[in-house]
Amino acid sequence: DTAVSQTPKYLVTQMGNDKSIKCEQNLGHDTMYWYKQDSKKFLKIMFSYNNKELIINETVPNRFSPKSPDKAHLNLHINSLELGDSAVYFCASSQGFTSYGYTFGSGTRLTVV
Amino acid sequence: DQQVKQNSPSLSVQEGRISILNCDYTNSMFDYFLWYKKYPAEGPTFLISISSIKDKNEDGRFTVFLNKSAKHLSLHIVPSQPGDSAVYFCAAGMSGGYQKVTFGTGTKLQVIP
Repeated sequence: DTAVSQTPKYLVTQMGNDKSIKCEQNLGHDTMYWYKQDSKKFLKIMFSYNNKELIINETVPNRFSPKSPDKAHLNLHINSLELGDSAVYFCASSQGFTSYGYTFGSGTRLTVV
Repeated sequence: DQQVKQNSPSLSVQEGRISILNCDYTNSMFDYFLWYKKYPAEGPTFLISISSIKDKNEDGRFTVFLNKSAKHLSLHIVPSQPGDSAVYFCAAGMSGGYQKVTFGTGTKLQVIP
């Protein structure tokens, strides 16, 4: 039973399209995150939600909109996809603000053509 | 502005020997540090952490050393095993306020049987 699951695992789409990535965690954690790993393998935080409230919003284009319907889910919607959005997107969760590490999903590889 | 740096993109070690992975950081406000391990097509998994009030933390074959004056930490794996072959990410965070963990770019470790 996967702790943090993301769907889809792979996503290939054309420029200008709108797409969503879904994330669900069954760990009972109250904080969830989206990270982006770009072509340089740099893992960079995008958003963080704590109990459905947005608490971290890095300098991400507003074409990216996270949505947390409940504390077990954090979805990422991307409008007007661009070539530079191609990356691996990781969802993660933690119990509060912990120094003991996050639990990551297996990632969604997004390719924009 | 890359606040966490792993200057060695790859490292090869013979099975049974010691693997030493290095990490440097620039932000003196970081007060806890983590190492993650990542296999291909999987998300990063938490390995070990250390608080800034310590200079060493050990968990089985894994030991993390922290040198605050040098803003440097290292992960030692002894003895190295082929199953340790993965990408290792160093990460750092600040425990006050809204936390976000900043990752390095990773070091790919290959343990040769």
